[in-house]
Order: sequence, then C-alpha cells, then structure tokens
Amino acid sequence: QVQLVQTGGGVVQPGKSLRLTCAAPGLSIRNYAMVWVRQAPGKGLEWVASISYDGTKKFYADSVKGRFTVSRDVSKNTVYLEMSSLRVDDTAIFYCARDGGGIAARPRYFDYWGQGTLVSVSS
Amino acid sequence: DIQMTQSPSSLSASVGDRVTITCRASLSIDRHLNWYQQKPGKAPKFLIYDASTLQSGVPSRFSGSGSGTDFTLTISDLHPEDFATYYCQETFRNPPIFGQGTRLDI
Repeated sequence: QVQLVQTGGGVVQPGKSLRLTCAAPGLSIRNYAMVWVRQAPGKGLEWVASISYDGTKKFYADSVKGRFTVSRDVSKNTVYLEMSSLRVDDTAIFYCARDGGGIAARPRYFDYWGQGTLVSVSS
Repeated sequence: DIQMTQSPSSLSASVGDRVTITCRASLSIDRHLNWYQQKPGKAPKFLIYDASTLQSGVPSRFSGSGSGTDFTLTISDLHPEDFATYYCQETFRNPPIFGQGTRLDI
C-alpha cells in the first residue's frame, strides 16, 4: 500500500515555476510535520523545506528561501511545494516525507517517504 | 548550520561481514541522530532514530550508538540486501542536516 504519492515533476526552463504535490491516501499526516528533501543526480540528500502539522510554521533551506513555498491542505491530506525562479542547480529528485515527531517543535525523523519525482531544469 | 561528516565515503565488504560507519557532528547534538538506507532508484528507508533505537521492522543486525558528536552505525552479518548507501541525519534543531553518505559495496 503506497502511503505517500507524489506528482508534478517534469522538465522546465530556468526561471519558470513548478508545483509538486504529495498526497497521503494511506497514511495519517494530519498531526505530523511534513518535509521535502531533494537529491541532485549522483549526490546526497538535502533537506529543502518543512511545514508544521498545522501549517503555521514553515522552514526553508537557504538555497531555496524566497523561491520555494511549502503548504498543506488538511482536508485533502496533501502537501505542496511551489517552486519558482527555478535554476539549473535545482535539478534533482524531490521527495516528500513525514516527520514522525508529530507536533514536536523541532524535526525528529523522516519515517515515511514518497516515491520521489524528478525535476529537471534545463534550457 | 551543523556539519555532519560520515566516514568512510565508501567501503567494500562481503556477505557475512560486520561493518561500521561513523558519523561526526560539528557540535554536540546529544542523541538527535538518525540513520537511513537508500538503494539505487529508491527513496530512503528510515532505520534508526535517537542514535540507537531501531525503527519497527528493521532487522536486529543493524545497531546504532553514540552521543554528543560521534556516532556509529554497525551492521553485523551483512546480508545481500544490505548493500546500499547509508546516511546519517541530525535533528538537533532546524535545519536537519544529512551526512554526505557512505556507499557500501559488495
């Protein structure tokens, strides 16, 4: 049973925008913070953004601050990552994940992951 | 930001071996250290939290230890499915930082 399902990746030109979606048909995410993590080709894992369980707190990596926006729709059990002013170095597989710490104020651990979606920024 | 350094970056081992991967934090993170396993083309899999607590379903041949700045992941009796890349992650505060990864090859 797939628990986090991601959609929305693709190829986009530099400077353009893209929205990623992470749905949770088989997992409770209502009382959990959610995160986005990316992995550039052949590279390691990089945390990108987090959103608190209630959507009131959001945190971003310096590399995406001001360009990316994380949000969630509780009624749809879905999390989003809006990416704008995309750059070539944003090319990566993006993963959404659940922070298993529940409503904890700080990150804990990422216990469930989506399948990943490739974002390729190229002219 | 806290820096996380894993060593070695890669290592080769055989089925049945015992291997240890080290993760060092640039400052004390108490025991706020997690480990993940990633296989090619797959999402990371959560293994260990709070330095030494195994996530449900993770085989007991995996173990973690450490506190403060120095941590280890040990895999005893390597199985064929254990050959993968392993990442440590600190969650002492935001932002959560991953180590650069350790690739474990046959």
